[in-house]
Amino acid sequence: GQNIDQPTEMTATEGAIVQINCTYQTSGFNGLFWYQQHAGEAPTFLSYNVLDGLEEKGRFSSFLSRSKGYSYLLLKELQMKDSASYLCAVTDSNYQLIWGAGTKLIIKP
Amino acid sequence: ETGVTQTPRHLVMGMTNKKSLKCEQHLGHNAMYWYKQSAKKPLELMFVYSLEERVENNSVPSRFSPECPNSSHLFLHLHTLQPEDSALYLCASSQDPGTKIEQFFGPGTRLTVL
Repeated sequence: GQNIDQPTEMTATEGAIVQINCTYQTSGFNGLFWYQQHAGEAPTFLSYNVLDGLEEKGRFSSFLSRSKGYSYLLLKELQMKDSASYLCAVTDSNYQLIWGAGTKLIIKP
Repeated sequence: ETGVTQTPRHLVMGMTNKKSLKCEQHLGHNAMYWYKQSAKKPLELMFVYSLEERVENNSVPSRFSPECPNSSHLFLHLHTLQPEDSALYLCASSQDPGTKIEQFFGPGTRLTVL
């Protein structure tokens, strides 16, 4: 079966760095997305990786290793507004989008 | 504001009621989606429409009936729902139905079935 694994919940301190991991087992691979979802709000697009390596976008970076079936989202200089759920999603060989259950990130002062 | 709106934001209904969820996108996109989001579970894709034609139906019970009258509007008609259908229903759109493309989500309708 197809599966996306993410930690259910993480806690970090304001100003610090946090890494949210995502591992996947899918029938083929055609890209990996990260979305952010604040409580009661719509998911919003953060990043898309299709090649191995690190993509940096301001305080957020996303890394992909296709051989390991692994990605992480790195958040630097954490702010209270970064408290949200972070959703990992993978496009398989049939171009179906497979979603993880999301990681709830709690930022403490 | 992501350009995708949903109404109502909250809905409480009995199992014998009939109601409809509405989604509108103002982005000029050609594809629209309905998702179900339950607590601590992955997003479940329900329906995909491309240029007003349904291109995917992921074995959704017939008590959920989608309608796409034009490329900007999408409805989800509900009837004789079950309590386990209580969830957040999200609408999304994208430029086309290819899943290499970013999807834009609406804020969702929080549905409670009594």
